[in-house]
Amino acid sequence: KQEVTQIPAALSVPEGENLVLNCSFTDSAIYNLQWFRQDPGKGLTSLLLIQSSQREQTSGRLNASLDKSSGRSTLYIAASQPGDSATYLCAPYMNRDDKIIFGKGTRLHILP
Amino acid sequence: SQTIHQWPATLVQPVGSPLSLECTVEGTSNPNLYWYRQAAGRGLQLLFYSVGIGQISSEVPQNLSASRPQDRQFILSSKKLLLSDSGFYLCAWSGFGTAIVEAFFGQGTRLTVV
Repeated sequence: KQEVTQIPAALSVPEGENLVLNCSFTDSAIYNLQWFRQDPGKGLTSLLLIQSSQREQTSGRLNASLDKSSGRSTLYIAASQPGDSATYLCAPYMNRDDKIIFGKGTRLHILP
Repeated sequence: SQTIHQWPATLVQPVGSPLSLECTVEGTSNPNLYWYRQAAGRGLQLLFYSVGIGQISSEVPQNLSASRPQDRQFILSSKKLLLSDSGFYLCAWSGFGTAIVEAFFGQGTRLTVV
């Protein structure tokens, strides 16, 4: 059974800092991994998708890396801004028809 | 392009009343469909998922049920709501294209049982 852990659970930092959010999963035989952002009271917005054959993906100030063998993914946020404040969740996929299990997320607060 | 519709956005229902939340997907075929619940300040709890019409997997025994009457329609129901059913309900779909599985979420339904 896949279990997903996200560390830290919450993070509050002044704007401008570079951040690292961690995601670990117990079963490393994943198909791909997706990072999401959730604003309060809203649905989830997809940020980055990493295939199991890739080591990282980049979108603007976001960079996600994947170390499949060790069961870890990291989301880097460069030059953080108050608009980055949200909860960030990761979801590793085992195969196309498997259920999608999430970590509890990292609640990020960027101070102006 | 693919879109997902979930309604209503908010709902206030009395204890003991029935519930029906609907989710539809456009622009894709044979998606996997999911219902999640998020209690205040907590993570996403998977309630049901479906890989095809009439195929429903239940993750948590509870007061809710799900149905998939059409390929791109997923319905969450209850015959009698409990106070503990309050929460934020999210519908999602995932597709398999070019060897990638990717999920997309609706905007959610805030259910308050009073």
